[in-house]
Amino acid sequence: GAVVSQHPSRVICKSGTSVKIECRSLDFQATTMFWYRQFPKKSLMLMATSNEGSKATYEQGVEKDKFLINHASLTLSTLTVTSAHPEDSSFYICSARGPRGRTEAFFGQGTRLTVV
Amino acid sequence: DAKTTQPNSMESNEEEPVHLPCNHSTISGTDYIHWYRQLPSQGPEYVIHGLTSNVNNRMASLAIAEDRKSSTLILHRATLRDAAVYYCILRDATSGTYKYIFGTGTRLKVLA
Repeated sequence: GAVVSQHPSRVICKSGTSVKIECRSLDFQATTMFWYRQFPKKSLMLMATSNEGSKATYEQGVEKDKFLINHASLTLSTLTVTSAHPEDSSFYICSARGPRGRTEAFFGQGTRLTVV
Repeated sequence: DAKTTQPNSMESNEEEPVHLPCNHSTISGTDYIHWYRQLPSQGPEYVIHGLTSNVNNRMASLAIAEDRKSSTLILHRATLRDAAVYYCILRDATSGTYKYIFGTGTRLKVLA
């Protein structure tokens, strides 16, 4: 149990377009999810905390109008990269607190975004 | 958030034990020590966690220093599939947050 799934796993989009990445908790409810981005050979960098039914909390330096987060249900958070540019190309990863009784967080498999 | 420091990289021979160190000298009394690993092009995978006592599970063992300022992840018999980046992360048990701050991690290379 405690599976977090991201979709798509890989996406290529043109500059100027927007792309949506979904993060789902498949077998548990997640009131809070987290979004990270990772550049090649680098560590994960926290972007924002996604709260079900309320606004996301963004880390310092992350543009909230560029990276729109919606957490409309207890099992789904979405990250939309708006007006994407090549510098937005990265590996995006979400995580969620595990179900009751589990102390660890669970991560999705990641989404590789390439903007051409 | 308390900070952790790990060696950038380590090597091990296949079938041999691996000891991955982590320093966390500013750890607070309520911080859990979590270890995750990340295989290439995948999200991080939970390995093990502990608070004060040593812990064992099917994947690894976690040895925690008596003063809790350091810990060591032990892979008893490294396999090629264990080649990954290993992250040591502190999580405050009282805050309820699962907002992990990742350090640089240790890239483990396993030699056949």
